[in-house]
Amino acid sequence: EDQVTQSPEALRLQEGESSSLNCSYTVSGLRGLFWYRQDPGKGPEFLFTLYSAGEEKEKERLKATLTKKESFLHITAPKPEDSATYLCAVLYRGSTLGRLYFGRGTQLTVWP
Amino acid sequence: DAGVIQSPRHEVTEMGQEVTLRCKPISGHDYLFWYRQTMMRGLELLIYFNNNVPIDDSGMPEDRFSAKMPNASFSTLKIQPSEPRDSAVYFCASSHRPGSGYTFGSGTRLTVV
Repeated sequence: EDQVTQSPEALRLQEGESSSLNCSYTVSGLRGLFWYRQDPGKGPEFLFTLYSAGEEKEKERLKATLTKKESFLHITAPKPEDSATYLCAVLYRGSTLGRLYFGRGTQLTVWP
Repeated sequence: DAGVIQSPRHEVTEMGQEVTLRCKPISGHDYLFWYRQTMMRGLELLIYFNNNVPIDDSGMPEDRFSAKMPNASFSTLKIQPSEPRDSAVYFCASSHRPGSGYTFGSGTRLTVV
Protein backbone atom coordinates (compact mmCIF):
# COMPACT_ATOMS: atom_id res chain seq x y z
CA GLU A 1 0.00 0.00 0.00
CA ASP A 2 1.33 3.40 -0.96
CA GLN A 3 2.03 5.67 1.96
CA VAL A 4 1.74 8.79 -0.19
CA THR A 5 -0.76 9.45 -2.98
CA GLN A 6 -0.67 12.50 -5.21
CA SER A 7 -3.44 13.82 -7.42
CA PRO A 8 -3.99 14.60 -10.14
CA GLU A 9 -1.27 12.72 -12.02
CA ALA A 10 -1.15 15.50 -14.59
CA LEU A 11 -2.54 19.02 -14.71
CA ARG A 12 -2.63 21.51 -17.54
CA LEU A 13 -3.27 25.14 -16.69
CA GLN A 14 -3.41 28.29 -18.70
CA GLU A 15 -1.06 31.00 -17.53
CA GLY A 16 -2.73 32.86 -14.67
CA GLU A 17 -5.18 30.06 -13.88
CA SER A 18 -4.73 29.20 -10.19
CA SER A 19 -5.13 25.63 -8.93
CA SER A 20 -4.07 23.17 -6.23
CA LEU A 21 -2.20 19.89 -6.13
CA ASN A 22 -3.04 17.29 -3.52
CA CYS A 23 -0.86 14.96 -1.47
CA SER A 24 -2.58 12.54 0.88
CA TYR A 25 -0.76 10.22 3.27
CA THR A 26 -1.75 7.17 5.27
CA VAL A 27 1.12 7.05 7.75
CA SER A 28 0.63 7.94 11.40
CA GLY A 29 3.14 9.83 13.49
CA LEU A 30 4.12 12.31 10.81
CA ARG A 31 7.50 13.88 11.43
CA GLY A 32 7.48 16.04 8.31
CA LEU A 33 5.95 16.46 4.86
CA PHE A 34 8.18 17.69 2.06
CA TRP A 35 7.47 19.25 -1.33
CA TYR A 36 9.94 19.05 -4.20
CA ARG A 37 9.97 20.31 -7.75
CA GLN A 38 11.58 18.23 -10.49
CA ASP A 39 12.43 19.53 -13.95
CA PRO A 40 13.10 17.10 -16.82
CA GLY A 41 16.59 15.62 -16.68
CA LYS A 42 17.29 17.01 -13.23
CA GLY A 43 17.10 15.90 -9.63
CA PRO A 44 14.27 16.98 -7.35
CA GLU A 45 14.69 20.45 -5.87
CA PHE A 46 13.55 21.03 -2.30
CA LEU A 47 10.71 23.55 -1.84
CA PHE A 48 9.10 23.25 1.61
CA THR A 49 8.88 21.24 4.80
CA LEU A 50 5.70 21.20 6.89
CA TYR A 51 5.72 19.67 10.36
CA SER A 52 2.26 20.03 11.88
CA ALA A 53 -1.37 20.42 10.87
CA GLY A 54 -2.30 24.03 10.22
CA GLU A 55 1.18 25.01 9.12
CA GLU A 56 1.63 26.98 5.89
CA LYS A 57 4.71 27.91 3.87
CA GLU A 58 4.96 30.26 0.89
CA LYS A 59 7.46 30.85 -1.86
CA GLU A 60 6.66 33.18 -4.74
CA ARG A 61 3.50 31.79 -6.39
CA LEU A 62 3.48 28.61 -4.31
CA LYS A 63 1.84 28.01 -0.96
CA ALA A 64 1.87 24.68 0.86
CA THR A 65 -0.62 23.77 3.57
CA LEU A 66 -0.94 20.74 5.81
CA THR A 67 -3.87 18.98 7.51
CA LYS A 68 -3.86 15.74 9.49
CA LYS A 69 -4.18 13.57 6.41
CA GLU A 70 -3.18 15.66 3.41
CA SER A 71 -1.25 18.58 2.05
CA PHE A 72 -2.05 21.00 -0.73
CA LEU A 73 0.29 22.91 -2.95
CA HIS A 74 -1.56 26.00 -4.15
CA ILE A 75 -0.27 27.69 -7.27
CA THR A 76 -1.46 31.26 -7.74
CA ALA A 77 -1.39 32.84 -11.19
CA PRO A 78 1.09 30.28 -12.56
CA LYS A 79 3.57 31.05 -15.31
CA PRO A 80 5.03 28.71 -17.94
CA GLU A 81 8.24 28.48 -15.90
CA ASP A 82 6.25 26.77 -13.13
CA SER A 83 5.87 23.75 -15.42
CA ALA A 84 7.50 20.78 -13.70
CA THR A 85 6.69 17.63 -11.78
CA TYR A 86 5.85 18.32 -8.14
CA LEU A 87 6.66 15.58 -5.67
CA CYS A 88 5.66 15.23 -2.05
CA ALA A 89 7.28 12.97 0.51
CA VAL A 90 6.73 12.05 4.15
CA LEU A 91 8.97 11.22 7.06
CA TYR A 92 7.23 9.40 9.88
CA ARG A 93 8.00 7.85 13.24
CA GLY A 94 7.48 4.26 12.09
CA SER A 95 10.33 4.45 9.58
CA THR A 96 14.04 4.59 10.10
CA LEU A 97 15.24 8.11 10.75
CA GLY A 98 15.91 9.88 7.48
CA ARG A 99 13.85 7.60 5.23
CA LEU A 100 11.50 9.64 3.04
CA TYR A 101 8.59 8.04 1.19
CA PHE A 102 7.79 9.81 -2.07
CA GLY A 103 4.55 10.06 -4.01
CA ARG A 104 4.49 9.52 -7.76
CA GLY A 105 4.17 13.25 -8.45
CA THR A 106 1.91 15.63 -10.34
CA GLN A 107 3.13 16.74 -13.74
CA LEU A 108 2.14 20.38 -14.15
CA THR A 109 2.09 22.09 -17.53
CA VAL A 110 1.36 25.81 -17.75
CA TRP A 111 0.77 27.10 -21.24
CA PRO A 112 0.85 30.75 -22.27
CA ASP B 1 29.02 25.03 -2.88
CA ALA B 2 28.77 22.97 -6.07
CA GLY B 3 25.95 20.88 -4.67
CA VAL B 4 25.76 17.10 -4.82
CA ILE B 5 27.94 15.86 -7.66
CA GLN B 6 27.22 12.59 -9.44
CA SER B 7 29.14 10.84 -12.16
CA PRO B 8 28.74 9.73 -14.81
CA ARG B 9 25.63 11.56 -16.07
CA HIS B 10 24.86 8.79 -18.52
CA GLU B 11 25.97 5.18 -18.63
CA VAL B 12 25.17 2.59 -21.25
CA THR B 13 26.40 -0.91 -20.55
CA GLU B 14 25.81 -4.45 -21.66
CA MET B 15 23.99 -6.94 -19.53
CA GLY B 16 26.35 -8.75 -17.20
CA GLN B 17 28.84 -5.91 -16.91
CA GLU B 18 29.76 -4.17 -13.67
CA VAL B 19 28.54 -0.61 -13.22
CA THR B 20 29.81 1.87 -10.64
CA LEU B 21 28.01 5.12 -9.90
CA ARG B 22 29.73 7.84 -7.90
CA CYS B 23 28.56 10.60 -5.62
CA LYS B 24 30.15 13.51 -3.77
CA PRO B 25 27.79 14.95 -1.15
CA ILE B 26 27.69 18.52 0.08
CA SER B 27 30.43 19.18 2.60
CA GLY B 28 29.10 19.02 6.14
CA HIS B 29 26.09 16.90 5.28
CA ASP B 30 26.09 13.82 7.51
CA TYR B 31 23.36 11.91 5.63
CA LEU B 32 23.74 10.45 2.16
CA PHE B 33 20.96 8.73 0.24
CA TRP B 34 20.81 6.66 -2.94
CA TYR B 35 17.49 6.69 -4.79
CA ARG B 36 16.32 5.06 -8.00
CA GLN B 37 13.62 6.59 -10.21
CA THR B 38 11.60 4.74 -12.83
CA MET B 39 8.32 5.47 -14.57
CA MET B 40 6.76 2.38 -13.04
CA ARG B 41 7.82 2.80 -9.41
CA GLY B 42 8.70 6.46 -8.99
CA LEU B 43 11.44 7.38 -6.50
CA GLU B 44 12.60 4.50 -4.32
CA LEU B 45 15.15 4.69 -1.54
CA LEU B 46 17.88 2.09 -1.99
CA ILE B 47 20.15 2.82 0.96
CA TYR B 48 21.23 5.64 3.19
CA PHE B 49 24.27 6.43 5.30
CA ASN B 50 24.76 8.49 8.42
CA ASN B 51 28.33 9.55 9.18
CA ASN B 52 29.54 7.06 6.54
CA VAL B 53 27.73 4.12 8.20
CA PRO B 54 24.92 2.33 6.31
CA ILE B 55 21.72 2.73 8.32
CA ASP B 56 18.94 1.34 6.15
CA ASP B 57 19.64 -0.84 3.13
CA SER B 58 16.23 -2.50 2.99
CA GLY B 59 15.57 -0.93 -0.41
CA MET B 60 18.56 -2.56 -2.11
CA PRO B 61 16.93 -4.89 -4.64
CA GLU B 62 19.24 -7.87 -4.30
CA ASP B 63 22.81 -8.95 -3.74
CA ARG B 64 23.84 -7.60 -7.11
CA PHE B 65 23.67 -4.11 -5.60
CA SER B 66 26.21 -2.81 -3.12
CA ALA B 67 27.03 0.64 -1.77
CA LYS B 68 29.98 2.02 0.10
CA MET B 69 30.93 5.29 1.73
CA PRO B 70 34.66 5.14 2.51
CA ASN B 71 34.75 8.75 3.70
CA ALA B 72 32.51 11.77 4.23
CA SER B 73 33.05 13.10 0.73
CA PHE B 74 32.53 10.05 -1.47
CA SER B 75 30.11 7.21 -2.03
CA THR B 76 29.67 4.54 -4.68
CA LEU B 77 26.78 2.37 -5.79
CA LYS B 78 27.84 -0.75 -7.63
CA ILE B 79 25.76 -3.18 -9.67
CA GLN B 80 27.37 -6.48 -10.56
CA PRO B 81 26.23 -8.09 -12.78
CA SER B 82 23.91 -5.53 -14.37
CA GLU B 83 20.57 -6.52 -15.92
CA PRO B 84 18.20 -4.66 -18.29
CA ARG B 85 15.68 -4.18 -15.46
CA ASP B 86 18.26 -2.07 -13.63
CA SER B 87 17.81 0.64 -16.25
CA ALA B 88 16.69 3.76 -14.39
CA VAL B 89 17.88 7.15 -13.18
CA TYR B 90 19.91 6.84 -9.99
CA PHE B 91 20.02 9.84 -7.69
CA CYS B 92 22.29 10.63 -4.80
CA ALA B 93 21.11 13.13 -2.19
CA SER B 94 22.54 14.52 1.03
CA SER B 95 21.25 16.43 4.05
CA HIS B 96 22.62 17.71 7.33
CA ARG B 97 19.79 16.25 9.41
CA PRO B 98 16.93 13.84 8.73
CA GLY B 99 14.13 16.35 9.24
CA SER B 100 15.49 18.80 6.69
CA GLY B 101 15.09 18.79 2.95
CA TYR B 102 17.48 16.76 0.89
CA THR B 103 19.71 18.20 -1.83
CA PHE B 104 19.70 15.91 -4.85
CA GLY B 105 22.33 15.50 -7.50
CA SER B 106 21.52 15.61 -11.19
CA GLY B 107 21.37 11.83 -11.40
CA THR B 108 22.95 9.10 -13.49
CA ARG B 109 20.82 7.70 -16.28
CA LEU B 110 21.71 4.02 -16.56
CA THR B 111 20.77 1.97 -19.58
CA VAL B 112 21.55 -1.74 -19.58
CA VAL B 113 21.19 -3.38 -23.00
